[in-house]
Amino acid sequence: GAVVSQHPSRVICKSGTSVKIECRSLDFQATTMFWYRQFPKKSLMLMATSNEGSKATYEQGVEKDKFLINHASLTLSTLTVTSAHPEDSSFYICSARAGRGGNTEAFFGQGTRLTVV
Amino acid sequence: SQKIEQNSEALNIQEGKTATLTCNYTNYSPAYLQWYRQDPGRGPVFLLLIRENEKEKRKERLKVTFDTTLKQSLFHITASQPADSATYLCALDITGGYQKVTFGTGTKLQVIP
Repeated sequence: GAVVSQHPSRVICKSGTSVKIECRSLDFQATTMFWYRQFPKKSLMLMATSNEGSKATYEQGVEKDKFLINHASLTLSTLTVTSAHPEDSSFYICSARAGRGGNTEAFFGQGTRLTVV
Repeated sequence: SQKIEQNSEALNIQEGKTATLTCNYTNYSPAYLQWYRQDPGRGPVFLLLIRENEKEKRKERLKVTFDTTLKQSLFHITASQPADSATYLCALDITGGYQKVTFGTGTKLQVIP
């Protein structure tokens, strides 16, 4: 199946710094990518939808200035956690779809474990 | 608002038995429903998709049913194995212009040898 690569898999950063997470579709073009956040023993919470060449659409309650999303090409979307704080520590996961519509499979990255100290 | 609930946080089952997981949703009529598997520290992996006009879908030892009247999907793993131990997530595709997927709360399945 299609491969989505997410990097880094783990990152530890100091409070107040920014962290960039990359999500790449390796063998297909993804017009839409999604960013999720997952707390321990909780389900995935959709943060934003990233569309190539346009602004990301954020879910209610997600600060767009805090979580900057850039989808510069059909194979790359980035999530930057700006001025990170300990409460931003979480597991962040991206997913990508090759086509449109609910019947197209979503492929997930391996996730990024962010720890802010 | 859309609500997706899975019957239990955790389910323990003896190896060889059939595991049945439940996904209930409210306030929506999805055209599709998906099931994913997630292992600890990893992203979800797609397993099956079932359409609203399909009552049942099978893939190897997996079977999914979809009852749009009850607003419920059942996910079965037959002849369960310890390797099936994982968290299973159901997901609905909310078509609102960008086809985003919303996940259920997940059920952690433990298959005991």
